Amino acid sequence: DGGITQSPKYLFRKEGQNVTLSCEQNLNHDAMYWYRQDPGQGLRLIYYSQIVNDFQKGDIAEGYSVSREKKESFPLTVTSAQKNPTAFYLCASSTGQGYTGELFFGEGSRLTVL
Amino acid sequence: DAKTTQPTSMDCAEGRAANLPCNHSTISGNEYVYWYRQIHSQGPQYIIHGLKNNETNEMASLIITEDRKSSTLILPHATLRDTAVYYCIVRPNNAGNMLTFGGGTRLMVKP
Repeated sequence: DGGITQSPKYLFRKEGQNVTLSCEQNLNHDAMYWYRQDPGQGLRLIYYSQIVNDFQKGDIAEGYSVSREKKESFPLTVTSAQKNPTAFYLCASSTGQGYTGELFFGEGSRLTVL
Repeated sequence: DAKTTQPTSMDCAEGRAANLPCNHSTISGNEYVYWYRQIHSQGPQYIIHGLKNNETNEMASLIITEDRKSSTLILPHATLRDTAVYYCIVRPNNAGNMLTFGGGTRLMVKP
């Protein structure tokens, strides 16, 4: 089945450690996105990529890094510079064409810093 | 970016229509209105979108006022599984496919 797979679903890390969240899609979508969600809040855009080997910062990129070496993959690294990394992280993709704007989301990764 | 205003929460009886309002008074002429919903601890799910005309699909109907300053998402026969946070989003015309999610409306469907 086509879709977006995020892993791991739950992740614990110690302060000062970097952690990488995986996002893979087999929808042949050009664009991919990372959002962060805090409890009871909406989604905030961290990074997005419209095409392979290119990405742009979103509203809250500080303390995060991404890469887009393959069309189907868009991993997110939460670095030790991120002051409050405990959150629910959501990856999404879209066709990147035209004006449809429909995003397809993964099931999310919940990161807890101990 | 055009902003949206939604009630924080709403209740609806199971089997009845759920009408979720959204105010977007600063919407521009070529900005679309999108609706997504998020069931607890899952990724958001696309519901419907529209520009000027009313739209209907298998999930819901979208009613946009003539002046486009507000819209209503209608779930015709709400079920317990429709309990979720519903996001109304206005898509900027120069931001590719990026969508900005606000706080949304928490819909509780009750038996």
